[in-house]
Amino acid sequence: AQSVSQHNHHVILSEAASLELGCNYSYGGTVNLFWYVQYPGQHLQLLLKYFSGDPLVKGIKGFEAEFIKSKFSFNLRKPSVQWSDTAEYFCAVSLTGGGNKLTFGTGTQLKVEL
Amino acid sequence: NAGVTQTPKFRVLKTGQSMTLLCAQDMNHEYMYWYRQDPGMGLRLIHYSVGEGTTAKGEVPDGYNVSRLKKQNFLLGLESAAPSQTSVYFCASRPVATNEKLFFGSGTQLSVL
Repeated sequence: AQSVSQHNHHVILSEAASLELGCNYSYGGTVNLFWYVQYPGQHLQLLLKYFSGDPLVKGIKGFEAEFIKSKFSFNLRKPSVQWSDTAEYFCAVSLTGGGNKLTFGTGTQLKVEL
Repeated sequence: NAGVTQTPKFRVLKTGQSMTLLCAQDMNHEYMYWYRQDPGMGLRLIHYSVGEGTTAKGEVPDGYNVSRLKKQNFLLGLESAAPSQTSVYFCASRPVATNEKLFFGSGTQLSVL
């Protein structure tokens, strides 16, 4: 079964700092990759997704992620965070053609301080 | 367009009581899922369904049952609630294509005392 690891559980940044959240998955086949965000008191929303093509994908609110197949990674980045980016971020993986189940990482709680 | 609707939003149960959580989607999605979210553990899949009349176990199915009698509804049942089932429960749905995003409901906060 596939698994997803997010090594940063809590991250605290000042506004305008750069962000990189790590995500690694364990599966040797073709995968679809997602980043979801959960703002305080809200449900999960899709930030961006990768399923094929350009390994650098851009999402909403200035976020981007890079798929590096050789490293089984899909790290999330943002050049300059804002206070409103305070949220929990989840990486997720689904297998192409298999099960259609989305496996989530344990999440990274990001706090952006003014 | 309501999307994915979960009822109830909050519930408190005593150990041993039973209840059913209802998830309804109006997007004609084939796939529906029940997740639980616990601090430090992310979202874990309880059960899912790939179509009306079908259900399958996820990562943490024990203590839960589900039914998908109608395409638009996916019910999650707790026959005998335990404190370990205190959690936030999210329902989600999506169309058939595997690269499509999940549409989430707003969650049900369940406390079992």
